[in-house]
Amino acid sequence: QVQLVQSGAEVRKPGASVRVSCKASGYTFTAYGITWVRQAPGQGLEWMGWTNVYNGKTDYGQKFQDRVTLTTDLSTDTVYMELRNLRSDDTAVYYCARVVSLAVDVLYNWFDPWGQGTLVTVSS
Amino acid sequence: DIQLTQSPSSLSASVGDRVTITCRASQNIRSFVNWYQQKPGKAPKILIYAASNLQNGVPPRFSGSGSGTDFTLTITSLQPEDFAVYYCQHSSKTPPFTFGPGTKVDLK
Repeated sequence: QVQLVQSGAEVRKPGASVRVSCKASGYTFTAYGITWVRQAPGQGLEWMGWTNVYNGKTDYGQKFQDRVTLTTDLSTDTVYMELRNLRSDDTAVYYCARVVSLAVDVLYNWFDPWGQGTLVTVSS
Repeated sequence: DIQLTQSPSSLSASVGDRVTITCRASQNIRSFVNWYQQKPGKAPKILIYAASNLQNGVPPRFSGSGSGTDFTLTITSLQPEDFAVYYCQHSSKTPPFTFGPGTKVDLK
């Protein structure tokens, strides 16, 4: 079955970096994009960015433009999300998700399935 | 960027109730809206894509409608497993893929 499995919880100090992995299985990896969404404790969903796994093109949310990088390892069907210069308000659960696209008259996108989430805690 | 608002922010309902959640966009986004359900401690799950299309495997008591700036998620007969938070999402062909603030549905 289609599955995304993320790496385990991380604890970092302010100013450090973190890298979270998202390993895909059960489908042709290069046929779909991967996106990242985060959720701070008790808060809503915040879109961070996405990558076209086939050609490596990335788009980032304006809020994260300067601090996040998405990279892909085609040999292991894994996407990595690195967030730099961490602050306490980066404490959140980080999710990856597969981007499903449907071209009808226009191109529709949605996220399915999602990984299980990775808790990143930033604390001094 | 397009902003999404949802109403209500929370609601209390009973099993069997009909529930309607509204999502409003700050500008015309045609049918570029998805709906997700999130239960505590779990990842979100897609329910509806492109405003009105039911994802495979989602019960038909869920439905979506709307276009332009106003969108609705309806649950025709609320079941115990439907108590969750529901998010709308703007999903045009290019990012950003903004989410609404969410609507919490809990037991009356």
